[in-house]
Amino acid sequence: SAVISQKPSRDICQRGTSLTIQCQVDSQVTMMFWYRQQPGQSLTLIATANQGSEATYESGFVIDKFPISRPNLTFSTLTVSNMSPEDSSIYLCSVRGLGSLGNTEAFFGQGTRLTVV
Amino acid sequence: GEDVEQSLFLSVREGDSSVINCTYTDSSSTYLYWYKQEPGAGLQLLTYIFSNMDMKQDQRLTVLLNKKDKHLSLRIADTQTGDSAIYFCAENTDKLIFGTGTRLQVFP
Repeated sequence: SAVISQKPSRDICQRGTSLTIQCQVDSQVTMMFWYRQQPGQSLTLIATANQGSEATYESGFVIDKFPISRPNLTFSTLTVSNMSPEDSSIYLCSVRGLGSLGNTEAFFGQGTRLTVV
Repeated sequence: GEDVEQSLFLSVREGDSSVINCTYTDSSSTYLYWYKQEPGAGLQLLTYIFSNMDMKQDQRLTVLLNKKDKHLSLRIADTQTGDSAIYFCAENTDKLIFGTGTRLQVFP
């Protein structure tokens, strides 16, 4: 499996500010994704991070609120912009297409626990 | 539509078997997954099954798939306290759709 490092692991932020979350993988992967897990809830896909082009967002998520970068095959960032308390969640990076594993297995980082006050 | 459902809570005695159930709606799912999430941690991939299989066994874990009923289950044999966690099933079409999660509590 891949080693997926997310930074920060947790943060407490003031409303109206922005936070950028980093996801670093120890090997090249085909696909990278960002998920949100609201308190006590399941995971919801925010977007697919595409290398060298704009991310593909799911219904209900927009680029202005959640800008995403993916400059190469091992790194991506998610920014949560103009935060409100409703953005308090765990944000998780996920990867697929790791080496010989193909796209079958999806692995997750440990998540970033965000609290907006 | 895409909808994956699980029962919310399961409590078992240590040493017994646990069975966590999942129903999904998208018949075009190619793989179905089981993930484990311990408190404060990310998701750990436990196992997955191809849609053309009906059973997969991996040590203490047994996955059963009933495509006709779109029903997936995860059986954990000899459940231990370390198995206490939230278990998510997920279906894959072009993306992963997660179930609501089942909180498994193991008591001595």
